[in-house]
Amino acid sequence: EPEVTQTPSHQVTQMGQEVILRCVPISNHLYFYWYRQILGQKVEFLVSFYNNEISEKSEIFDDQFSVERPDGSNFTLKIRSTKLEDSAMYFCASSYTQANYGYTFGSGTRLTVV
Amino acid sequence: LAKTTQPISMDSYEGQEVNITCSHNNIATNDYITWYQQFPSQGPRFIIQGYKTKVTNEVASLFIPADRKSSTLSLPRVSLSDTAVYYCLVGDGGSQGNLIFGKGTKLSVKP
Repeated sequence: EPEVTQTPSHQVTQMGQEVILRCVPISNHLYFYWYRQILGQKVEFLVSFYNNEISEKSEIFDDQFSVERPDGSNFTLKIRSTKLEDSAMYFCASSYTQANYGYTFGSGTRLTVV
Repeated sequence: LAKTTQPISMDSYEGQEVNITCSHNNIATNDYITWYQQFPSQGPRFIIQGYKTKVTNEVASLFIPADRKSSTLSLPRVSLSDTAVYYCLVGDGGSQGNLIFGKGTKLSVKP
């Protein structure tokens, strides 16, 4: 079964540092997403990406966040200056169409900001 | 997206059938009902999706009454590995990916 792959599985960073979380979506999928889940809380939508541009973003996705699909296979989430409250599990997901709620999520990157 | 209500937690024993009901009173005509499963420290996993009546796959069944104001996810003969959080989502996909996850139902399967 095709998988969405995320690296690293765990990242520890100091407050104020930049981090890049990486994802390899399923190869024939066209829509890409980032979600996050703070420990013990709900899974929250961050951003969706289609045709090399952001199609929707949430209030969480402020100027400190950016996404990129640099080479046609990887999909990255960059946090420019991390804050303690950015500590969370970050999940990448992909889907073939936007009308299909059957998204495939990766296993996540646990980001710890100290 | 339509608001959903589901029990916060459920307990079951291995081998039993588990039914988790979700209420979605203001479901729209174009909305589909989708269930996801999430294990600790893992991403949500799509289980099943339906529009009306009954849908069955290798993992679960989804029962949707005629008025579509609720739905029931049925897991046959659960095992310890079915311990997870189960989320009910309702929407038409037109929001371009903005899946809204609630708190879900934490299912605990005991031996």
